[in-house]
Amino acid sequence: DADVTQTPRNRITKTGKRIMLECSQTKGHDRMYWYRQDPGLGLRLIYYSFDVKDINKGEISDGYSVSRQAQAKFSLSLESAIPNQTALYFCATSDAGQGFETQYFGPGTRLLVL
Amino acid sequence: AQRVTQPEKLLSVFKGAPVELKCNYSYSGSPELFWYVQYSRQRLQLLLRHISRESIKGFTADLNKGETSFHLKKPFAQEEDSAMYYCAPPLGTGANNLFFGTGTRLTVIP
Repeated sequence: DADVTQTPRNRITKTGKRIMLECSQTKGHDRMYWYRQDPGLGLRLIYYSFDVKDINKGEISDGYSVSRQAQAKFSLSLESAIPNQTALYFCATSDAGQGFETQYFGPGTRLLVL
Repeated sequence: AQRVTQPEKLLSVFKGAPVELKCNYSYSGSPELFWYVQYSRQRLQLLLRHISRESIKGFTADLNKGETSFHLKKPFAQEEDSAMYYCAPPLGTGANNLFFGTGTRLTVIP
């Protein structure tokens, strides 16, 4: 079954460390997204990519960077983690072939920055 | 930017009571909207979208252009409806037009 997967599922790190969250998909979708979810703030877009050569900043890109290694892979990096980056991170994909496409989400990565 | 507003962060209803989760939008153009749901310990998933005119798990959502709303409704709430619900605008090709609402956590009281 085509899916969106994220690794790791949980991560604890210390302030100042560099970490990478990975997202892979077998849906064959061109578009991929990274969101963070915080209580009371909902879902906020960090970065998105409409194809392998396209990277765009979202609402809250400061402190984050991304890499689109292939159509199926989209990684999110925190160059120097800080405690307020503690959140639940979601990757999503969508199919550009439709006019109003649905997003398909991964299971999430729970990150704790100490 | 296309925006949606969900005025209620928390909503509690008793089992069997009607439920309405509010969503208002503030952009021009074709207002095709989506509702996503996140059950406990599960990933976010599409519940329904306006363009499909469908009813999923007893939920419906009617687009009201006069009130710029896309409220999610169910006549009789069930315990398994307890979840986080997000209203979302359509994805487009421009930058910064992919905002979800802040979400409403629905709790159905047995």
